[in-house]
Amino acid sequence: AQRVTQPEKLLSVFKGAPVELKCNYSYSGSPELFWYVQYSRQRLQLLLRHISRESIKGFTADLNKGETSFHLKKPFAQEEDSAMYYCALSGRGAQKLVFGQGTRLTINP
Amino acid sequence: GAGVSQSPSNKVTEKGKDVELRCDPISGHTALYWYRQSLGQGLEFLIYFQGNSAPDKSGLPSDRFSAERTGGSVSTLTIQRTQQEDSAVYLCASSLETRGVTEAFFGQGTRLTVV
Repeated sequence: AQRVTQPEKLLSVFKGAPVELKCNYSYSGSPELFWYVQYSRQRLQLLLRHISRESIKGFTADLNKGETSFHLKKPFAQEEDSAMYYCALSGRGAQKLVFGQGTRLTINP
Repeated sequence: GAGVSQSPSNKVTEKGKDVELRCDPISGHTALYWYRQSLGQGLEFLIYFQGNSAPDKSGLPSDRFSAERTGGSVSTLTIQRTQQEDSAVYLCASSLETRGVTEAFFGQGTRLTVV
């Protein structure tokens, strides 16, 4: 079974401080991991995916298969990063996309 | 439009009534998902359609919930005999399965309130 766990419902940091949103997963096969973001009054949208190994808006995430984690990191938080962040998992091929419970990130000025 | 469209945007219904929520996916997208978003519960998977395969209904919370996708395009989520705990935002998403990379594009959601 696919399962995604985000242990923090709320996370608050000051502007300019580093931020890390935690994500752990459970999946017996080879996973595809994603981070989605929902800004205030906007649609849920893809932020980044592990397969692309990209940095988007200063955010990065590394898939650690040993720890079954895919934590999202940014070295210097900005106020516009305040949003709801969801970690998601899909199996390789045509598999459903399962989300974690989400973490609401607030960046304080 | 080019995005995923959901209707209605808001729906208020009386307890016990049936409701239908509609989703128009992006043209050509083979996969379609329904999720429920409620406070404290995150994004709860409901059902997944992929092409002509049998849908994955493993997330439907009870037999009051059902969904269909006609002609591989438009989907309708039906909730029968609505209960107050059904109040939530229902999100639809679609994706084009390309070698397993599943970027999902979301609609704006339907906010359902059961009174």
